[in-house]
Amino acid sequence: DAKTTQPPSMDCAEGRAANLPCNHSTISGNEYVYWYRQIHSQGPQYIIHGLKNNETNEMASLIITEDRKSSTLILPHATLRDTAVYYCIVRVALGTSYDKVIFGPGTSLSVIP
Amino acid sequence: DAGITQSPRYKITETGRQVTLMCHQTWSHSYMFWYRQDLGHGLRLIYYSAAADITDKGEVPDGYVVSRSKTENFPLTLESATRSQTSVYFCASSEPRGHSSYEQYFGPGTRLTVT
Repeated sequence: DAKTTQPPSMDCAEGRAANLPCNHSTISGNEYVYWYRQIHSQGPQYIIHGLKNNETNEMASLIITEDRKSSTLILPHATLRDTAVYYCIVRVALGTSYDKVIFGPGTSLSVIP
Repeated sequence: DAGITQSPRYKITETGRQVTLMCHQTWSHSYMFWYRQDLGHGLRLIYYSAAADITDKGEVPDGYVVSRSKTENFPLTLESATRSQTSVYFCASSEPRGHSSYEQYFGPGTRLTVT
């Protein structure tokens, strides 16, 4: 599976857009980009995923570059409740090997009042 | 909508004791997973199951046993607990949806302390 690189921490002002980058330069053509977040002491929460097109749902938008080597998760209007660790992972479709699933350290996002 | 639940939420046990952590999901998802989360290591997969009676090892399976006799339950047993198994344990479930299927739903976690 492709390895991902994320900045260890970021700050964002409340009400502003939070843009969280992720590099996955070794991504393969059949690997999807997934984003999860983990609010302190809670289980991780799925946010969004995509293959090559930009995606949007009620939580966030995912922008994937044309060469698919990087992506950005956008929280359009960050609130204090968005303070969490955000994980970017790349995976092939279910049914393939799970034994090397690695969430990595993620990006710790702090939303500041 | 109960979703995915774990019990107990907190557990303190002694070295050498057997401990079972329970996981129950109400969505009838095919796949279920057990992770542990330690400071400095992120989430690590212990075991997973693709369906009832089908289980496979993840990244860190040593010292753990799983079973899945029913789709909705996926218990994790520590046969002889060690201090290194002190951790927060998360259960998750997932259901393949066409072309992409790594959308996992996590339980609230069990905080286990082995003394």
